[in-house]
Amino acid sequence: DAKTTQPPSMDCAEGRAANLPCNHSTISGNEYVYWYRQIHSQGPQYIIHGLKNNETNEMASLIITEDRKSSTLILPHATLRDTAVYYCIVRVEYGNKLVFGAGTILRVKS
Amino acid sequence: SAVISQKPSRDICQRGTSLTIQCQVDSQVTMMFWYRQQPGQSLTLIATANQGSEATYESGFVIDKFPISRPNLTFSTLTVSNMSPEDSSIYLCSVAMQYGSYEQYFGPGTRLTVT
Repeated sequence: DAKTTQPPSMDCAEGRAANLPCNHSTISGNEYVYWYRQIHSQGPQYIIHGLKNNETNEMASLIITEDRKSSTLILPHATLRDTAVYYCIVRVEYGNKLVFGAGTILRVKS
Repeated sequence: SAVISQKPSRDICQRGTSLTIQCQVDSQVTMMFWYRQQPGQSLTLIATANQGSEATYESGFVIDKFPISRPNLTFSTLTVSNMSPEDSSIYLCSVAMQYGSYEQYFGPGTRLTVT
């Protein structure tokens, strides 16, 4: 699975959009981009995933660049409850292993 | 979706002893996994628990140190054997409903401290 690079931390004002970048320049054609988050003292939680088209669900939007070498997770209206570590993971479609990197600590501030 | 419980939620153990962690799922699942999260670190996959056969271990993890059982589709155990302070971590169970499912569900974790 391809390696991902994320900034170690970011701050966001409550109510504003949080944009979390991820670089995955060695991604292969059959690898998907997944995002999970881990709120303090809890297990990780799935957020969203995508291959090459932009994706949106009730939690977030995922924007993948045309060359697929990077992506951005967007939380449209961040709340204090969104403070967590966000992990960008690259995985083949029918693989099973999730390889977690260091992630980005997102702090949402009032 | 799946709801996962783990027992114990936390424990403090003496070095040289062993601890068995249980993972119970509220529905039958195909895939079960065990992860370790050392203090201040990210998650590392220990092994995939296979029903009715030996677990598949990741590089750096061995069966003698982390024996795993999975007797059915809703239950698995991880034993941390001959513990040392370096084994102090959070141990998490996760599941996928089907092979290749895009979503994995994680348990709340077991916080282990070895003194």
